[in-house]
Amino acid sequence: KQEVTQIPAALSVPEGENLVLNCSFTDSAIYNLQWFRQDPGKGLTSLLLIQSSQREQTSGRLNASLDKSSGRSTLYIAASQPGDSATYLCAVGGSQGNLIFGKGTKLSVKP
Amino acid sequence: GAGVSQSPRYKVAKRGQDVALRCDPISGHVSLFWYQQALGQGPEFLTYFQNEAQLDKSGLPSDRFFAERPEGSVSTLKIQRTQQEDSAVYLCASSRGRGVTDTQYFGPGTRLTVL
Repeated sequence: KQEVTQIPAALSVPEGENLVLNCSFTDSAIYNLQWFRQDPGKGLTSLLLIQSSQREQTSGRLNASLDKSSGRSTLYIAASQPGDSATYLCAVGGSQGNLIFGKGTKLSVKP
Repeated sequence: GAGVSQSPRYKVAKRGQDVALRCDPISGHVSLFWYQQALGQGPEFLTYFQNEAQLDKSGLPSDRFFAERPEGSVSTLKIQRTQQEDSAVYLCASSRGRGVTDTQYFGPGTRLTVL
């Protein structure tokens, strides 16, 4: 059974710092991997989608990498801002398209 | 609106009541997913539709949970005889194609509280 783990569970950084969020998964037979952000009381916003054949994706200050063989993904956030404060969720895509999520990393960026 | 919408946003039910949660996916999206998110946890898959066909319901926790999408657009998740452990946020997501490689777009969720 696929299991997704995110480390750390919570992270607090000063504004302007570069940071890395980690995600690991137990079964490398994935179709894709998505990173989401979730604001309190809100739904999930898709940040980046990496297909199984890809190694990384970039969007603005965000860069996500995927290493299927080692079962790892990282989300790099450059020059963090207070508006980046949210919970970040990693999810791997199964054979039917359903997503298997980690528990998330709660990020707080202090001004 | 252009996004996924869900109603109601909040629902309080007494234990034993039946509830119905609605999802309006993005127009034209083929795939629709329901997830359950308990407090402090990541979402967990419940069920998946491709158009009107329910292709996977392996995540439904019991036979009290039932989902339908009769015309391939709007979907309803019904929970019969609600229990306290059903309290959670129920998220709906849709994607353009079959869903295996597509981005899933999520609605704001319905927060269900069972007293």
